[in-house]
Amino acid sequence: KAGVTQTPRYLIKTRGQQVTLSCSPISGHRSVSWYQQTPGQGLQFLFEYFSETQRNKGNFPGRFSGRQFSNSRSEMNVSTLELGDSALYLCASSLAGTGNYGYTFGSGTRLTVV
Amino acid sequence: GDSVTQMEGPVTLSEEAFLTINCTYTATGYPSLFWYVQYPGEGLQLLLKATKADDKGSNKGFEATYRKETTSFHLEKGSVQVSDSAVYFCALSAVGAQKLVFGQGTRLTINP
Repeated sequence: KAGVTQTPRYLIKTRGQQVTLSCSPISGHRSVSWYQQTPGQGLQFLFEYFSETQRNKGNFPGRFSGRQFSNSRSEMNVSTLELGDSALYLCASSLAGTGNYGYTFGSGTRLTVV
Repeated sequence: GDSVTQMEGPVTLSEEAFLTINCTYTATGYPSLFWYVQYPGEGLQLLLKATKADDKGSNKGFEATYRKETTSFHLEKGSVQVSDSAVYFCALSAVGAQKLVFGQGTRLTINP
């Protein structure tokens, strides 16, 4: 079956702009979570959605937001981009979003803010 | 809060050497434990997992045992290959938490 698809793979944006990243989970999976990976901070949890509801949120400013659609596809948005937002953004798909089901990651979107 | 501590890297070994990457965790209850691997320019791939104490996860020659008494989940492989060169992440998912908490990652390089 198809894996987790993230688009686009690469993005270059200018400070102050906004960006939207997309994630299509594995068919049948209802949970989508997002992570930010940077060399300095490592992998940090952004938020998790299940059946269009945000169930959990990490410690990120309000400029980071997300949503999930009825087909389980998810988007995350970052407004007023800062240089420090440059990172690899990873999406994880899960049947129910709990540990015993496991999480499958996409290849990520590499965002560069200049 | 929940946390994961991995041995610092980078780790450099020769082909066919024995590998151990240490991982300890702090969490209440019985979290699920994972090892993920990341190859250059790619996302994370699940290597193995364990969901309860004394479970052993295994895949592609890698093994890790969930040790509740020592709160550890060390990754081992008896004979590494050049193709095992990657960054390895230990992670936990606490009961009801709907997220993963990662260690800082360990970069492994295997020389022929």
